[in-house]
Parts: sequence; structure tokens; C-alpha cells
Amino acid sequence: DAKTTQPTSMDCAEGRAANLPCNHSTISGNEYVYWYRQIHSQGPQYIIHGLKNNETNEMASLIITEDRKSSTLILPHATLRDTAVYYCIVRVATNFGNEKLTFGTGTRLTIIP
Amino acid sequence: DAMVIQNPRYQVTQFGKPVTLSCSQTLNHNVMYWYQQKSSQAPKLLFHYYDKDFNNEADTPDNFQSRRPNTSFCFLDIRSPGLGDAAMYLCATSRGRLAGGLREQFFGPGTRLTVL
Repeated sequence: DAKTTQPTSMDCAEGRAANLPCNHSTISGNEYVYWYRQIHSQGPQYIIHGLKNNETNEMASLIITEDRKSSTLILPHATLRDTAVYYCIVRVATNFGNEKLTFGTGTRLTIIP
Repeated sequence: DAMVIQNPRYQVTQFGKPVTLSCSQTLNHNVMYWYQQKSSQAPKLLFHYYDKDFNNEADTPDNFQSRRPNTSFCFLDIRSPGLGDAAMYLCATSRGRLAGGLREQFFGPGTRLTVL
């Protein structure tokens, strides 16, 4: 699976949009971009994933560049509960469904009141 | 609510004393995973079950074993815990093979293991 590079930490003011970047310059055509987050002392939580097109769900939006070498997770109106470590993961989808997640170091996002 | 449950949330054991961590799920998922997360590090996959098929990661120490007696339950056995095995142990599930689409993993809250 392709490796990812994320900033170690970021701050964002409460109520503003949080934009978390991820570089995955060695991504292959069949690899998806996944985002998970881990709030302190809890298990990771799935946020969103995408292949080529931009995606949006109730939690966030995912913007993937046209060359797919980078992406940005957007939390449109950050709240204090969004303070967490955010992991960008790139991996191939298997035919068997037993997908392995290889976590990188992630970005520690702190929402400032 | 359907969920992934881990018991206990906190476990203390002695150096070399076997310990078992448990995970149960009400999601009826085919796949169950065990991750190890040491302090200030990212989670690292130890192994997973696809139904009854066990899949070990190449660098998982032999000290770690797992059992899955049925769809709902999965156990992590640490045969002789060392100080370096102190960590958060996370259980996760996913739906497995499905026509099209991808299946996210659902994580439990974790069990924090302390080795004295």
C-alpha cells in the first residue's frame, strides 16, 4: 500500500472549516484514500473514503486532486469534539473484504474555543 | 445499537502471566481484527479472522495468539506478557466480501493492558 505524509499537528478555531492535507504521491490506480480519526482513549472511527471523485457525507468532505497524489479532508464547521488524531490511509481494495489498515503517524487536530 | 464491545476496558497482569482479552460484536461481520497501539503510536495490525480463517501478520510475535469460537466473539491471548506488551489493544470488524464497494472497519473502545 502507498505511504502517506501528513502534518504532525494543526490547530483550527471552533466553528471554522478544518482542512487536513495528505500527500500520497506513490498512489496506484486501484488504491483508495481512507480517512479515520481517533479521539483520545477511544478506538479509531471511519470518516470517509474515495477513489477519484470528491466525496461528501454527514461528517466531512474529501477532495482528491486530479493526479490523485494528494487529498484534503474538510470538516466544514469544526467543534471541540472534533479534536482528535486524523489518519489518512491509502490501500487497495481486496476481493475478499479483509482489508488491512496501515496507519501512519496522522495529524493531531486541536480545535481552539 | 449494533456495536463492537471489548472487555475489560483496563487489564493489569504480571510479567509472564497469561492474559486473555475479549471482543464481541453485534454487527454480524465476517471479519474481526486485532490491533496493538502503543503509547503515542499508531495502531498496528496483529492478525485477523475472515470467518474461521486466521490470517497472521508476518511480524506478529508468537507470544500473541487468537481464537474465534463463533461469529460474535474473538479473543486475544498473550501467552507470556512482557513489559513491552503494555499497550491499548483494539478490536475491529468489517463486513467482508460484498459485491462492489468497500467496507469500513468498526472499532471497539479498546482494552488498555498494563504489565507489572
